[in-house]
Amino acid sequence: QSVLTQPPSASGSPGQSVTVSCTGTRSDIGAYNFVSWYQFHPGKVPKLIIYEVTKRPSGVPDRFSGSKSGNTASLTVSGLQSDDEADYYCSSFAGNNNFIFGPGTKVTVL
Amino acid sequence: VQLVESGGDVVLPGVSLRLSCTTSGFTFRYYWMAWVRQAPGKGPEWVANIKQDGSETFYGDSMKGRFIISRDNAKSSIYLQVNNLRHEDTAIYYCARAQLAGGYFDAWGLGTQVTVSS
Repeated sequence: QSVLTQPPSASGSPGQSVTVSCTGTRSDIGAYNFVSWYQFHPGKVPKLIIYEVTKRPSGVPDRFSGSKSGNTASLTVSGLQSDDEADYYCSSFAGNNNFIFGPGTKVTVL
Repeated sequence: VQLVESGGDVVLPGVSLRLSCTTSGFTFRYYWMAWVRQAPGKGPEWVANIKQDGSETFYGDSMKGRFIISRDNAKSSIYLQVNNLRHEDTAIYYCARAQLAGGYFDAWGLGTQVTVSS
């Protein structure tokens, strides 16, 4: 169902950085600066952590940052903390009132 | 900001279900709202959006025909009617506040589980 591609897993030690990629096409990520990232913790409310490629909602630490190059967006989590261990999903507007999500990346803090 | 979904159940294929989402903490009538679902082991899938006054609705390609999104601004609530449920509709259904201008969902509920099983 996903037309966005993410690595299934990523990991890093506390204090290190981890980067998660999200690859789409020129019809979605490449066409619009409407990439968002969500953090899913089991049993918790999903949380928006990045929107419009690089913006952080109020309350999200600046350890979370987003970027985009061509058809690929990236989420970087710096200064990894144990609470950052979660599933991360990218999303992009794909035109015609269509929103698509990636399959998710499980980030593990070693 | 709080969104609380309800109405999920274990049902047989072919039946219909109506999911509800009650919200609080923000001026509901100002916002587009949405449903997003997540099947087991899969990424989220956008289901539908509804405009502030309910005058416009949009659906994901695979949702057209069996899904109906609606809202009641007096009750700060949205609903999702799902007809002729199929096994592949098994998922957690999330209610979300949509920011269409930026293409993102900035508030979510905990979700309600729908299981279609014979």
